[in-house]
Parts: sequence; C-alpha cells; structure tokens
Amino acid sequence: EAGVAQSPRYKIIEKRQSVAFWCNPISGHATLYWYQQILGQGPKLLIQFQNNGVVDDSQLPKDRFSAERLKGVDSTLKIQPAKLEDSAVYLCASSFQPGKAPEAFFGQGTRLTVV
Amino acid sequence: GDSVTQMEGPVTLSEEAFLTINCTYTATGYPSLFWYVQYPGEGLQLLLKATKADDKGSNKGFEATYRKETTSFHLEKGSVQVSDSAVYFCALHKAAGNKLTFGGGTRVLVKP
Repeated sequence: EAGVAQSPRYKIIEKRQSVAFWCNPISGHATLYWYQQILGQGPKLLIQFQNNGVVDDSQLPKDRFSAERLKGVDSTLKIQPAKLEDSAVYLCASSFQPGKAPEAFFGQGTRLTVV
Repeated sequence: GDSVTQMEGPVTLSEEAFLTINCTYTATGYPSLFWYVQYPGEGLQLLLKATKADDKGSNKGFEATYRKETTSFHLEKGSVQVSDSAVYFCALHKAAGNKLTFGGGTRVLVKP
C-alpha cells in the first residue's frame, strides 16, 4: 500500500514570496490533516478535511494561508505572502474514517525555510 | 481545549538502560491515546495506542498504560537500543470531530 505522498521535500523562499505544498493521501482515506511543526515543537493542526469539506481550520492563519482538497483526494496548502516565522516542516496525514482511535498515517513532510 | 504535556528532552541514555517518557493530558470525555515516533529524516509513525482506561498499548518492546485517574500515558521500555534514538510524541484523539492533538515531543538519544 502506498503511503502519504508529499512534495516538495524541501523549499527555500524569500519572505513575501508565495509557496504551495502538495499532498496525496492514502487511497480511500476520507480524513486529511495539515500540521505545522516548528523546530523543537510538536505538530500543530492547521486544517482538517473530511472528504472535500473543512472540519477544522481554527488555527489556520487565513490572511496568508489557504488550503483546498479537490474531489476529496489530493490537497494543496498555500502560503502567500510568507513570513520568516513560517519556517517549519509541513506535515500531511490521512486516516480512514472518523471514529474511535483511527490511525493517522503521515507523509515525510515538506521543510520550508523562509529567508 | 484539549492538550498534551510531555517531559522535555533531550533524554540521553546508554544502551540497555530503562527509558521512561512522561505524558499527561487534559481533555473532556474519553479520548484515545497514542505514542508516535519520528526517526531522523522520516515522518511520524504510530508506535502504540490505547483506547480506554487501563488499556496497555505495546509494540517493539515499548509499553504505555492509559491511566484515567492520573490522566497519564507514560511510555516505557526496559532495555533501549541505539536504533531507538528518535523523537517521541504523545497524542490524544477525540472521536467527536476526529481531532488529533500532539504534545511537544521528547528527543531520545541512545549511546552505545
């Protein structure tokens, strides 16, 4: 079974530029999460999709971050314009269905450096 | 809101030493509890889980028991190996909203 695919693995941009990250979850997984992991900290949820609908985006900085999940499959997270404090690893995860203790599968992440 | 607190690292051990990583949580209702591990250069992967009070999760020699009375889910391993060097994350899951919340992570370094 293929895992969660993310691209690119690394990205370096200047502040005020824009950047986009792509995630392909495991086939058939209805729930998709985007997390931000700043160095030395735990993952922080940015946005959660159930199929192609947003379940939780309460911690997404909507003035600069946006995300979409087309047809309930692939997802894209965009930052525009980027700030220095956006430097982090962006993790995508997916799980099969809502319910008790579903396992979330994570991609390898995209490491973003804003200079 | 829900939260998870872990002991800060790094934790440095010698091979074959006993490892404990403390984790406590704050949540309403009855969350499920997880330990995820992140090896260098890799993504997070599930290590073990427990879905109700007094459940014990175990995998690869690691164990953790869901203690509702102390709201804790401490991770233990009796004899660590160099290959256990990684960052360990405690997490809780709420079925309502399918929400997964992580602690800050604990880096473990095992020296030969």
